[in-house]
Amino acid sequence: EAQVTQNPRYLITVTGKKLTVTCSQNMNHEYMSWYRQDPGLGLRQIYYSMNVEVTDKGDVPEGYKVSRKEKRNFPLILESPSPNQTSLYFCASSFVAGGPYEQYFGPGTRLTVT
Amino acid sequence: GQQLNQSPQSMFIQEGEDVSMNCTSSSIFNTWLWYKQDPGEGPVLLIALYKAGELTSNGRLTAQFGITRKDSFLNISASIPSDVGIYFCAGPSFSGTYKYIFGTGTRLKVLA
Repeated sequence: EAQVTQNPRYLITVTGKKLTVTCSQNMNHEYMSWYRQDPGLGLRQIYYSMNVEVTDKGDVPEGYKVSRKEKRNFPLILESPSPNQTSLYFCASSFVAGGPYEQYFGPGTRLTVT
Repeated sequence: GQQLNQSPQSMFIQEGEDVSMNCTSSSIFNTWLWYKQDPGEGPVLLIALYKAGELTSNGRLTAQFGITRKDSFLNISASIPSDVGIYFCAGPSFSGTYKYIFGTGTRLKVLA
């Protein structure tokens, strides 16, 4: 089954404790992306990657890191989480040819930072 | 940066009613996409629009790419309870990057 998987689905952590949210896709997509969703603000792009070893900032990259060592995986790293990073996070992927139009989304990771 | 504003923010409608929502931008978009997010899940693509003036249907859904390329509209006819969710417009940024911009969303609730 074609899908984007994220782990964990729920995470409660404390300020300053490094964490990683994993994302994996099995559709051989070049483009992968991370979003955060907050009430009234829609989805805002954090980082995206056009292919292996190619990453770029979205609109809200501060406080986040990503890496793309393999085509299928795109982990999101919070080196020192803060309460304002409490949010619902989505990973997505798509083909690049013609533009990253149809994004396929994972089920989401709800993060709470206390 | 580019922003997409959606209206209305939320709507409550009776089952069987038609729904209209729109999405506007301060800058031009070359592609408009409409997604639906069911409660507790990630967004799923409903309709993609690639040309100014284009009108595209997907079952009871119809979307239009505005002539100015700065807006798009989504209509749902004869709403049913499973239409409940958040509807987002979105598109690739037209700024020389491959950023992807989402609108603020329209939350739809259908009363049976």
